Amino acid sequence: GQQVMQIPQYQHVQEGEDFTTYCNSSTTLSNIQWYKQRPGGHPVFLIQLVKSGEVKKQKRLTFQFGEAKKNSSLHITATQTTDVGTYFCAPYNTDKLIFGTGTRLQVFP
Amino acid sequence: KAGVTQTPRYLIKTRGQQVTLSCSPISGHRSVSWYQQTPGQGLQFLFEYFSETQRNKGNFPGRFSGRQFSNSRSEMNVSTLELGDSALYLCASSPRRTGANVLTFGAGSRLTVL
Repeated sequence: GQQVMQIPQYQHVQEGEDFTTYCNSSTTLSNIQWYKQRPGGHPVFLIQLVKSGEVKKQKRLTFQFGEAKKNSSLHITATQTTDVGTYFCAPYNTDKLIFGTGTRLQVFP
Repeated sequence: KAGVTQTPRYLIKTRGQQVTLSCSPISGHRSVSWYQQTPGQGLQFLFEYFSETQRNKGNFPGRFSGRQFSNSRSEMNVSTLELGDSALYLCASSPRRTGANVLTFGAGSRLTVL
């Protein structure tokens, strides 16, 4: 079946540093969503990407969808302590959302 | 409007027992999906219900089942509990099935099997 790997698995950064997580699929994706889960919380929708090469920004967050639609990335500029949590990519495949392995971000003040 | 409500929030069971978890979706949402989250396996898709019919199923044994009622509320049941069933069970609702819907998750039901 489809495998969705995210790297890195963990990332510790100093507040103010940048952070990037990558999502890689073994198959071509029709679209992909990103979710954030705070410690002790539940996943919350961030954004959806549909088009090849698409780039979307939300304040300090930049989301990209690869040209081949097999990978995606989330970049956070100048991290803040509020960015702490696990970030999941979630491709939509055969009528269901499959979640990636997640990247846990820890931000030190 | 109210979000997705899951009950109970926490429960402890012993091996061999069975458990039923409940999910009330956002008003007007007709699709309900269930996920199991564990530290080792991450977020795993269990099943999706729409209009009282199971539309999709993940790779879980038959001990895991669910249903959806006419008011879109959903329940999932796990029979003959095993230690490995300890997990956070998340329910998510979305308005419809067509296209890539955005999921709104509930707070989850944390199950501990002893």
